[in-house]
Amino acid sequence: DSGVTQTPKHLITATGQRVTLRCSPRSGDLSVYWYQQSLDQGLQFLIQYYNGEERAKGNILERFSAQQFPDLHSELNLSSLELGDSALYFCASSVWGGYNEQFFGPGTRLTVL
Amino acid sequence: AQTVTQSQPEMSVQEAETVTLSCTYDTSENNYYLFWYKQPPSRQMILVIRQEAYKQQNATENRFSVNFQKAAKSFSLKISDSQLGDTAMYFCAFSFSGAGSYQLTFGKGTKLSVIP
Repeated sequence: DSGVTQTPKHLITATGQRVTLRCSPRSGDLSVYWYQQSLDQGLQFLIQYYNGEERAKGNILERFSAQQFPDLHSELNLSSLELGDSALYFCASSVWGGYNEQFFGPGTRLTVL
Repeated sequence: AQTVTQSQPEMSVQEAETVTLSCTYDTSENNYYLFWYKQPPSRQMILVIRQEAYKQQNATENRFSVNFQKAAKSFSLKISDSQLGDTAMYFCAFSFSGAGSYQLTFGKGTKLSVIP
């Protein structure tokens, strides 16, 4: 158990819908990363938040957005879903500064039908 | 941009034997970190071993060790005394403090099967 929690574990929805994935980082970790794992693209970095502020953006679609709240949990919002958005979405957290080690949550499996 | 290449999509090894997984990367950075992550069938991402680029000594963690060749931009993982529980996807990953972020760039992965 990494200490990072993600909900829900599985999500099945239809094209055109909107979903929200939730992540709670390890206690004391200020940084949250979101990654997408798909058969086509492999593991890709989407976005990073640090202490409530966006720090870096990767290959994140405009239909996707994220935020980090004052209690440091983060949410990834996916809208206008397409079949190709079906993937495993990971959240990872780390302590900012110095050596960086990211601890991954169990992931949310999104299936778009 | 940083890239990570794992040239072996699949490998197999007999239980108790030794296997080496290859990884090469491309970067113009001098200070960075390299990682090997394991993803078993449960899909959980588990950190196996890490290496700081400024350290010349190769990292070791029990049965896992790396061969880090900075000039060649190579970072291979050696698993000794392979166990059935080592069966998993293995991902090589690169990280550096670019624009204030330590985001991970992953290779495509190597699927390792340990045969009894």
